[in-house]
Parts: sequence; structure tokens; C-alpha cells
Amino acid sequence: EAGVAQSPRYKIIEKRQSVAFWCNPISGHATLYWYQQILGQGPKLLIQFQNNGVVDDSQLPKDRFSAERLKGVDSTLKIQPAKLEDSAVYLCASRLQNTEAFFGQGTRLTVV
Amino acid sequence: RKEVEQDPGPFNVPEGATVAFNCTYSNSASQSFFWYRQDCRKEPKLLMSVYSSGNEDGRFTAQLNRASQYISLLIRDSKLSDSATYLCVVNSMRDMRFGAGTRLTVKP
Repeated sequence: EAGVAQSPRYKIIEKRQSVAFWCNPISGHATLYWYQQILGQGPKLLIQFQNNGVVDDSQLPKDRFSAERLKGVDSTLKIQPAKLEDSAVYLCASRLQNTEAFFGQGTRLTVV
Repeated sequence: RKEVEQDPGPFNVPEGATVAFNCTYSNSASQSFFWYRQDCRKEPKLLMSVYSSGNEDGRFTAQLNRASQYISLLIRDSKLSDSATYLCVVNSMRDMRFGAGTRLTVKP
């Protein structure tokens, strides 16, 4: 079974630039999450989708972060403009309801 | 108060030791619970689910106390390969929240 796919694996940008990350969840998984993981910390939920609808985006910094899952399958997360403190690993995960979540390998973002 | 709290450690133990990690959660409506393992620079991966009756998988035992909103993970006979960060995960209908993780280093 194919896992959660994320791209790119690594990205280095200058502050104030824009960046986008892509995630393709496991086929059939209705629930999709984006997490931000800063070095030495646990993953912090940014946004949760159920199919193409947003369930929880309470911790998404909406002035600069946006995410969409238009067809209820793959998803993109965008940062515009980026700040130094956005340097982190961005993890995408998917699951069936109330079962374990599967993670992609993440995108490591460095903002300089 | 954080929604999911863990002792960050680090825990440094010798091979063969028994080590226990604790986790508390604040949302009484939480429905399912997991322990994930995360190796350095890797994504989190499921270690085991946590059931109300307690469950065991080899050297690993997980316990859940819903009344106290508390989850635990016990590792017996620690191996060098158990060195990792262990993340407590709490699911509700609404979301899935992680603790900050407890770092374990098993030394020869």
C-alpha cells in the first residue's frame, strides 16, 4: 500500500518569500492533517480536513498560512510571506476515522 | 494548560532497564489514544494503540486511565534500538493532538 507522499523533501527560502508544500494522502483516507514540528518539540496541529472541508484550523496563522484540499484528496499548504520562525518540518498525515494516522516523510523548511 | 502533556525527559537508561513514560490529557471527550515513536529526522510512526483494558506488545505495555485522563507506556528490558522520542497522541472526533514527546536514550 502506498504511504503518504509529500514534496518537496527540503526547501530553503529567504524570509518574506512564498513557499508551497504538497501532500497526497493514503487512498481512501478522508481525514488529512498538516502539522508543524519545530526542532525539539512535538508536532503542532495546523489544520485538519475531513474530505474537502476544514474541521479545525484554530492554530493556523491565517495571516500568512493557507491550506486547501479542493477535491478532497491531495492538499497544499502555503506560507506567504515566510518568517524566520517558520523554519520547521511540515508533516502531513492521513487516517480513517479514529484509527491510527500515517505520516509522510515531511518537508524540512529553512527560512534564512 | 496544554492539551497533552508529557515529561520531556531526557531519560538516559542502561540496556536492560525498565522505563516508564507518562502522559496526561485535558479533553475528557477524547476517544482514542496512541503512542508513536519518532527517530531523529524521521516522521512519527505508530508504536501501539492504547486500550482501556491495557495492552501489551512484547516488551511494551500501554495503560489508559480515563478517570484520571492519564496514559502510560512501559518499556521492559530496554534495547539500544529503543532510543528515540516517544509521542503521546490523543484523538477526539475533532482533532488529533500530540504531546511534546519524551526523549529516551538507551546506553550500553
